[in-house]
Order: sequence, then structure tokens, then C-alpha cells
Amino acid sequence: NAGVTQTPKFQVLKTGQSMTLQCAQDMNHNSMYWYRQDPGMGLRLIYYSASEGTTDKGEVPNGYNVSRLNKREFSLRLESAAPSQTSVYFCASSEQGALNEQYFGPGTRLTVT
Amino acid sequence: SQQGEEDPQALSIQEGENATMNCSYKTSINNLQWYRQNSGRGLVHLILIRSNEREKHSGRLRVTLDTSKKSSSLLITASRAADTASYFCATEGQAGTALIFGKGTTLSVSS
Repeated sequence: NAGVTQTPKFQVLKTGQSMTLQCAQDMNHNSMYWYRQDPGMGLRLIYYSASEGTTDKGEVPNGYNVSRLNKREFSLRLESAAPSQTSVYFCASSEQGALNEQYFGPGTRLTVT
Repeated sequence: SQQGEEDPQALSIQEGENATMNCSYKTSINNLQWYRQNSGRGLVHLILIRSNEREKHSGRLRVTLDTSKKSSSLLITASRAADTASYFCATEGQAGTALIFGKGTTLSVSS
């Protein structure tokens, strides 16, 4: 039982490059989330998927797209990376929305130069 | 926008002392959650307290909730160096489907 896994752990991109961050959970959770964490800003919600087949914007969705590939997997795509997207990205899942605790992945440290 | 806000932003104590962190929020909630984050790691859930509960314990952790004041507190008793971490409160946003986190309290426990 791996919980929430994220790949890659580290990534360096040049401005304008694209990439996809992968997230998978093996807890049969319905809801999945993507956050970014910047120094002094706490965690900010980028996108979430309340259940398989649905996605919704969070607080800071600009510059990102998501895909809920199936119940296990939720990917985050940066189409044209910008230095402002340098951050640590966390994926999380929960059984059902905000009613339950969230389980977090280990994070992806992304640097855009 | 931030739903929960922790206070203080930073707290330094000695091993054995108690640490208290506070969280204030803006709108009515069904539950409030506390999380811990060790440096460079993902968040770990500590405790969930529902709106009809006033106090909850888990080991050395004690959480209170005052819905009339829209505030919660997390007390860590007999702190240890291993408690050094950032602590976040989280409440519902987005029609109850997602959590919104505060900016956190950074706790440093020295031996």
C-alpha cells in the first residue's frame, strides 16, 4: 500500500517548455487534488477532482491543466512553463471531498529557469 | 483566498514545554483539520474535529473548536525536538469539496 505517489521528485525546465506531473493513489479514494507551495504562502489549491470524471478550478489554476485519467490517477500539466511556476507541487487524495482527511504525496520540486 | 489563518507564524520553545497554535476562519464549517509538515516532506493529517465537537484528543495533541468565535487551537503537550515542523489548519472551501489551508505556524523545539 504505497498511498499517494508522485513523479518526478525533481524537475528543471526552461521557460516555455511543457511537462506533466503524475499522481496516483491506491486507497480507492474518490477525490484528488493538486496544490502548490511557495515560501510564506502556505498551500494553494490549483485544481481538484471531486470524483472520477470531474475536475474543477481551485484558487490558482492559470497556466495549468489537469486530467483525471481514472479513479487512481490525476495528472497536472504545464503547457508553457514560466518562472512564476517554480514551486513545490503536492498531490493529495481523500475518500470524499473535505469531509475526510487528505493524504499527501511526497511532492515534486519544480524549477523553471 | 485563505479560509484559515494560523497564529503565531513562528513559535520557538524548549523541549518539555507546551506549544499552542491558533487558527481563525471566516465562514461556517462542517469540520476543521490540522496537519503537520516536516521540512521538505508532504503534509500529514493530525486530527479532524467536527463542528458539533468542542474538544478532541490524540496522544499529546489537544484540539479545541469554538464555532461561535470561528477559531480553533492546537495544543502539543510536553514538546519534543521531533515535533519541530510546520502546522497547518484547513477548512472547507469550494462548496465543501476541497480543503483550504492556512499559511501555517512554524514550530521549533530545541533540546
